[in-house]
Amino acid sequence: SQQGEEDPQALSIQEGENATMNCSYKTSINNLQWYRQNSGRGLVHLILIRSNEREKHSGRLRVTLDTSKKSSSLLITASRAADTASYFCATETSGSRLTFGEGTQLTVNP
Amino acid sequence: GAVVSQHPSRVICKSGTSVKIECRSLDFQATTMFWYRQFPKQSLMLMATSNEGSKATYEQGVEKDKFLINHASLTLSTLTVTSAHPEDSSFYICSASDRNTDTQYFGPGTRLTVL
Repeated sequence: SQQGEEDPQALSIQEGENATMNCSYKTSINNLQWYRQNSGRGLVHLILIRSNEREKHSGRLRVTLDTSKKSSSLLITASRAADTASYFCATETSGSRLTFGEGTQLTVNP
Repeated sequence: GAVVSQHPSRVICKSGTSVKIECRSLDFQATTMFWYRQFPKQSLMLMATSNEGSKATYEQGVEKDKFLINHASLTLSTLTVTSAHPEDSSFYICSASDRNTDTQYFGPGTRLTVL
């Protein structure tokens, strides 16, 4: 079964708006990572947040982690049409093993 | 940045044949590689963990005799789908863990279509 559950499953916004995606998980983790996947392509690593971190920024991305609630959020600010993709969270447990969430399909309309 | 390649990127085969997919870490050594499968509009499901020089560890429900994994060197792991059937049609993605940084890098994926 999937460790991570993401919501929403699909999100459609206008260019310039912010997009927020959430991820929940069930077990203890070493870190949580967010990936992006364009249709039919491989994964692009976006950001990693360790279990002892609460917030991390990278460009237009902001990730939060709440280990007490076992949840994380990814915020993309000032979205662009090129941000249209599927976004997955993945939790890393022992042995570098990653378990992926169900993903959020983001559509940014120009 | 570190690069992981997969070959082939796309393969179409007849039912009953075997298909080999290669995963290479191009500029780093990977003691551990992972194989995932992704069906359309679904998430990635971990199939197996491939360790250099030892047997792969398969996830529950993944048939080890059907999905043969060989990790013969620190830069190459192969996945062979034996006696492929149409239900094996999927997107297969590998990742490699850099032994020096513990960072995982993903390959571009292989689209397998079994007719």
